Amino acid sequence: EVQLVESGGGLVQPGGSLRLSCAASGFTVSSNYMSWVRQAPGKGLEWVSVIYSGGSTYYADSVKGRFTISRDNSKNTLYLQMNSLRAEDTAVYYCARPLTGYAFDIWGQGTMVTVSS
Amino acid sequence: QSALTQPRSVSGSPGQSVTISCTGTSSDVGGYNYVSWYQQHPGKAPKLMIYDVSKRPSGVPDRFSGSKSGNTASLTISGLQAEDEADYYCCSYAGSAHVVFGGGTKLTVL
Repeated sequence: EVQLVESGGGLVQPGGSLRLSCAASGFTVSSNYMSWVRQAPGKGLEWVSVIYSGGSTYYADSVKGRFTISRDNSKNTLYLQMNSLRAEDTAVYYCARPLTGYAFDIWGQGTMVTVSS
Repeated sequence: QSALTQPRSVSGSPGQSVTISCTGTSSDVGGYNYVSWYQQHPGKAPKLMIYDVSKRPSGVPDRFSGSKSGNTASLTISGLQAEDEADYYCCSYAGSAHVVFGGGTKLTVL
């Protein structure tokens, strides 16, 4: 079964760091381009970052320079390293795999990140 | 990139049809045929309903259809059912490997 399972969310103080993980099963992370998408409480979806199969990475302007997307091929796992966290980064973070093009058909269950003192 | 513009809410009675619009610019919706639509029930992950403007993934009922004209994409749901009540988001490729979502539309089935 094709599945994504996120972990690593939690409560962190402003300025702190957190690393999210997204374990994949049923397919190979390195063969796909994978994205992170977040959703602030009561708000809409916001694309955060993508890593292509070749390793190129891209970020939304709101997180550029603070977040880093990466993957571990041996663990078939996607990561999101989040530094210099702000209150506005509070959200459920989803990892997602595209069906084709830029349409995401496989989503994880999400992991909540709360940035608060 | 700015979020795509969707109506905050739409409603319809069972059996009726509703259309949700999604307006962007020539740099996103109008520039690429990579518009997708997602359904999200409370507390759940989004579900892909339409991709590449008008294609349906396997398992999505043909009551759901998508189209695009210029910088505006649309999702039409015909034969409304109670379980269609959810939030709907449009999404478009915006160039340079970036993706932009709409603000979301709450569909109420009366």
